[in-house]
Amino acid sequence: ETGVTQTPRHLVMGMTNKKSLKCEQHLGHNAMYWYKQSAKKPLELMFVYNFKEQTENNSVPSRFSPECPNSSHLFLHLHTLQPEDSALYLCASSHSRERTEAFFGQGTRLTVV
Amino acid sequence: GENVGLHLPTLSVQEGDNSIINCAYSNSASDYFIWYKQESGKGPQFIIDIRSNMDKRQGQRVTVLLNKTVKHLSLQIAATQPGDSAVYFCAETGSGGGADGLTFGKGTHLIIQP
Repeated sequence: ETGVTQTPRHLVMGMTNKKSLKCEQHLGHNAMYWYKQSAKKPLELMFVYNFKEQTENNSVPSRFSPECPNSSHLFLHLHTLQPEDSALYLCASSHSRERTEAFFGQGTRLTVV
Repeated sequence: GENVGLHLPTLSVQEGDNSIINCAYSNSASDYFIWYKQESGKGPQFIIDIRSNMDKRQGQRVTVLLNKTVKHLSLQIAATQPGDSAVYFCAETGSGGGADGLTFGKGTHLIIQP
């Protein structure tokens, strides 16, 4: 257990569906992240939140919409995804003001059909 | 596992031997480096980190070496055990203040032979 919990662990959705991924951390961190890990690429940073404010959007398509209501929770809202969006989506958290390691959740394995 | 299909370098070592995993990075402004281990079905797990003002750091059975001149990072695992079988990633982050997110390398698949 890393202190970062992601739900669901597995998700299958159609291209017209809308779904959300949830991440929760109990580490007292103020920075949270979404990463994408696909079969053909290394881990890719998608979004960064510092103190609930989005500070980085790594050219992610608008069909991915993040939400950070507080420093402990992070969501990734999904709509009209493509099959190539199938991947493992990883949430992480870290301290915001000092450079320390990020702690990762177990990930959500997403399959778009 | 998550990296099937990605052409990962593979390192196969005998149980009990030492292993060395290498990583090259490109951003000369990076000042913080981390090694992660990822087992099948799990998220990356922190192993050890090093800051750019150091060239070596040791943990329990692991050592990280940093050569800033050639932008090279290595992870040494001593007396490897079956539980060390996993994919190992190096990651770096830049010199900006606060939390920037990490840039990951492709990963190396370490296989421990009994």
